[in-house]
Amino acid sequence: AQSVAQPEDQVNVAEGNPLTVKCTYSVSGNPYLFWYVQYPNRGLQFLLKYITGDNLVKGSYGFEAEFNKSQTSFHLKKPSALVSDSALYFCAVRDMGTPLVFGKGTRLSVIA
Amino acid sequence: DTAVSQTPKYLVTQMGNDKSIKCEQNLGHDTMYWYKQDSKKFLKIMFSYNNKELIINETVPNRFSPKSPDKAHLNLHINSLELGDSAVYFCASSQGRKGPYEQYFGPGTRLTVT
Repeated sequence: AQSVAQPEDQVNVAEGNPLTVKCTYSVSGNPYLFWYVQYPNRGLQFLLKYITGDNLVKGSYGFEAEFNKSQTSFHLKKPSALVSDSALYFCAVRDMGTPLVFGKGTRLSVIA
Repeated sequence: DTAVSQTPKYLVTQMGNDKSIKCEQNLGHDTMYWYKQDSKKFLKIMFSYNNKELIINETVPNRFSPKSPDKAHLNLHINSLELGDSAVYFCASSQGRKGPYEQYFGPGTRLTVT
């Protein structure tokens, strides 16, 4: 069965510093990997996805993620954090035909 | 234009009541979903429909019954509400069910059972 682990409940970073939100996954086939963001009292918004090809995926709002097959990781990154990036971030995985499985979420706090 | 909309946004009701949540998407997507997000923010799929056909039915009490009158709508009816049903329910849609399609989420319905 597929699964996603987000090892950090909370990540704190100073505004202007680079940020990383970690995600590791387990899936039997080739993974489709996703990152979503949830602002308070809102639905989830899609940020980016990995299907195949280039290991560095660029997404919305300056976010990017690096796929590492050997480490089964898909960490979310941004070179320079903004206070407005503060939100709850979810990593999710599926393979062909299976339901999307979400991690438990990581709360990002960017401090001015 | 709102891509995925849900009504109502808030729902407060007493135990034992029956309630419905409506969802509509104007993206032309074939697949729609219902998710439950608990108080710890854990997100779990409940149901999925593809072109009005039920394709995923996770371990959900049969008090929960989805209905899809057409592929743009997926409603959720809940009978005999219990305290443990209190959560935020999200509707979502995607272009298809098997490919690497991202899902688009509605704003959520916060259900409180007292």
